[in-house]
Amino acid sequence: EDKVVQSPLSLVVHEGDTVTLNCSYEVTNFRSLLWYKQEKKAPTFLFMLTSSGIEKKSGRLSSILDKKELSSILNITATQTGDSAIYLCAVEASGGTYKYIFGTGTRLKVLA
Amino acid sequence: NAGVTQTPKFQVLKTGQSMTLQCAQDMNHNSMYWYRQDPGMGLRLIYYSASEGTTDKGEVPNGYNVSRLNKREFSLRLESAAPSQTSVYFCASLRGLADTQYFGPGTRLTVL
Repeated sequence: EDKVVQSPLSLVVHEGDTVTLNCSYEVTNFRSLLWYKQEKKAPTFLFMLTSSGIEKKSGRLSSILDKKELSSILNITATQTGDSAIYLCAVEASGGTYKYIFGTGTRLKVLA
Repeated sequence: NAGVTQTPKFQVLKTGQSMTLQCAQDMNHNSMYWYRQDPGMGLRLIYYSASEGTTDKGEVPNGYNVSRLNKREFSLRLESAAPSQTSVYFCASLRGLADTQYFGPGTRLTVL
């Protein structure tokens, strides 16, 4: 059965800290893993990682895909209160079905 | 460019009532999705439509039906609402597997 697991479930840090969020997956015929940020509304796209693009960076955020370990990490450096959100990881399910499976998310709170 | 739109934004139903959530996208995307999100949870896939004319069950389809009316519109119907269907419902669309999903603003549904 396809599965996506994120850890930790929640995290509280202070501004300026660095955080690492984890996502592990079990799907056959892996094609892509996506990270989203969700504040009070709909999720917004951060990164897509594939076999041909295993590392992405945008400002203070970066993400790496480890195909051997079937996992990905999302790093946020020099955190700010505006980084407080739920971070969601999604993987396309097996078989090229256009079906995406989401993890439960990591709720990050950054204190001033 | 409206992207993905959903109606209504909020709805309160009594147990046993029926209703249809509407979703439309103006990006000429092939695939469309319905998710639900419960407090402290990630997104769970209810139904999806990989292309116009097809629909498939997701992780939690029981109690729901869908219609892919045309390429733009994908509706979700609750025939007999139950309190367990109290949730926030998100619609999403996808151009293709190398792209990201785009989400609508969500519908907050309460079933009393």
